[in-house]
Amino acid sequence: GESVGLHLPTLSVQEGDNSIINCAYSNSASDYFIWYKQESGKGPQFIIDIRSNMDKRQGQRVTVLLNKTVKHLSLQIAATQPGDSAVYFCAENVSGYSTLTFGKGTMLLVSP
Amino acid sequence: EAGVAQSPRYKIIEKRQSVAFWCNPISGHATLYWYQQILGQGPKLLIQFQNNGVVDDSQLPKDRFSAERLKGVDSTLKIQPAKLEDSAVYLCASSSGLAGGRGELFFGEGSRLTVL
Repeated sequence: GESVGLHLPTLSVQEGDNSIINCAYSNSASDYFIWYKQESGKGPQFIIDIRSNMDKRQGQRVTVLLNKTVKHLSLQIAATQPGDSAVYFCAENVSGYSTLTFGKGTMLLVSP
Repeated sequence: EAGVAQSPRYKIIEKRQSVAFWCNPISGHATLYWYQQILGQGPKLLIQFQNNGVVDDSQLPKDRFSAERLKGVDSTLKIQPAKLEDSAVYLCASSSGLAGGRGELFFGEGSRLTVL
């Protein structure tokens, strides 16, 4: 299930389940979005990106969905594995600006 | 290919002391970023360099933070004097082009600062 911890929302799933991590972005002018994965003690690692002219983009075991109407994007991870346990951040960018703005993150915990 | 290198990995100082962090980006990457990540939050951009020029430093607390990338390769981030609220992980990232915030940023493992 999904719960709100002291700082980070946490999603706990069983190995093999599909995971859905949600992100609400704030800037309606944002037109580029990235998902990053951050394991404990490491820097964020790029997972997948999507431009605002797309609603869906698929990678290996991951799919990103973008709903511009409600300013929401999600990251779907198929057949979640223990190695997927990490904090996941969405980040947004406005065309013409160099700043990539990160959201607060969601912790994904995968139980064997 | 070697990744982004940062040092030191950990640093503990007392408030009002100074500290410096070093970053060596991926070879050939023109754009270098310093981010601050407070525990439980997403990274926040402090400064972005394109080669040795500053592209964006609007969120850098310039009264105490400074950064340079003199030869367009390595970069240092300095905090002087440090405050308790500066306790965070300082992440360096690089990318191959101006990017404009687009494309993949490659992050180092970060330098964790604790201010007592």
